Amino acid sequence: AQTVTQSQPEMSVQEAETVTLSCTYDTSESDYYLFWYKQPPSRQMILVIRQEAYKQQNATENRFSVNFQKAAKSFSLKISDSQLGDAAMYFCAYRIYTGTASKLTFGTGTRLQVTL
Amino acid sequence: GAGVSQSPRYKVTKRGQDVTLRCDPISSHATLYWYQQALGQGPEFLTYFNYEAQPDKSGLPSDRFSAERPEGSISTLTIQRTEQRDSAMYRCASSPGTSGRVEQFFGPGTRLTVL
Repeated sequence: AQTVTQSQPEMSVQEAETVTLSCTYDTSESDYYLFWYKQPPSRQMILVIRQEAYKQQNATENRFSVNFQKAAKSFSLKISDSQLGDAAMYFCAYRIYTGTASKLTFGTGTRLQVTL
Repeated sequence: GAGVSQSPRYKVTKRGQDVTLRCDPISSHATLYWYQQALGQGPEFLTYFNYEAQPDKSGLPSDRFSAERPEGSISTLTIQRTEQRDSAMYRCASSPGTSGRVEQFFGPGTRLTVL
């Protein structure tokens, strides 16, 4: 079974600084997707960034980028120039590439605080 | 519709009562997922539908939980004889297909409290 581990329950960053959230996963699949979702106080689930496992290039979305290390099964999220609106729970998630079992498997989340 | 909607947004019930939660996916989305999110945890998969078919029910915690999507659009999740441990946020998500490539769009969730 696939598992996703987020070992940092809470992180704090000052506004305008950079922070990295860690995620590791376990899978026997070779093709899969990895995601970071943001859950603000409104409790919505917002997709932040996605990475296809077959792509060597790390995904980037504006201030958000990932460091994907397939051999190490590591998928960290870097937030640059942190803003107050980045404060939220961040969930790392995994999904297999194709087929009917395309559910998302989530980690337990990292709560990010952004301070002035 | 413009996005995934769920109703009710909040539900408080007494232990032993039955509850039914509703999900209205994005129109034309073939696939619909249900997740359960306990406080302080990430969402956990319950079940999903591809149109009316329900290929995977492996995440349903017990036979007290059931889901339907009879016409391939709106779905309901029913919990019979609720227990306090059922208290959680129940999230619905829809996507155009089952491929891992396509995004799942989440609804706002229903927060269920069982007293």
